[in-house]
Amino acid sequence: DADVTQTPRNRITKTGKRIMLECSQTKGHDRMYWYRQDPGLGLRLIYYSFDVKDINKGEISDGYSVSRQAQAKFSLSLESAIPNQTALYFCATRSRTGLETQYFGPGTRLLVL
Amino acid sequence: AQSVTQPDIHITVSEGASLELRCNYSYGATPYLFWYVQSPGQGLQLLLKYFSGDTLVQGIKGFEAEFKRSQSSFNLRKPSVHWSDAAEYFCAVFSQGGSEKLVFGKGTKLTVNP
Repeated sequence: DADVTQTPRNRITKTGKRIMLECSQTKGHDRMYWYRQDPGLGLRLIYYSFDVKDINKGEISDGYSVSRQAQAKFSLSLESAIPNQTALYFCATRSRTGLETQYFGPGTRLLVL
Repeated sequence: AQSVTQPDIHITVSEGASLELRCNYSYGATPYLFWYVQSPGQGLQLLLKYFSGDTLVQGIKGFEAEFKRSQSSFNLRKPSVHWSDAAEYFCAVFSQGGSEKLVFGKGTKLTVNP
């Protein structure tokens, strides 16, 4: 089984809808991240969490919110989806004591019409 | 602020040819550097990483990278490319402090011709 899983893998939604992307990990890591990938732009950080009660905005958090339901689960919500949020979304985890390596989930491809 | 530059957006090589993908970073302290690969429709897989010590690091799938502090570079190499290496490659630097995020380059897409 994969260490970092994301659901759904693909999603099509309409402008104005609220949607949630979910991430689960079995690595026991305390750090979790949400990144967004756009063609030609690489990956950019949306939100990150060092612990269940420690959640922080990244560089492009506008229009997004997150929830850390447990150490193993970190969800990303789009409150009111808009077309320019069409992208590939990655969840990543890292151990506080790990050698700074982040482990990525398979990604969620989101299309907002 | 930390930054990573991958000068080549797209590279095409023939199968069996050697490969070098360029990466330059901007970081004040000793960097922690990574190369990830993203195959079509797939997530990100770690190829190799540099933290300290030997400046030539070996990774999976026959890849290696060399850290050159004087040039602020961390170029990825492979002596003989296989068709299955066609993918997008991302260089990243670990941002110490704050978010402890990875700062990524914009990626280099590799096409392999038969």
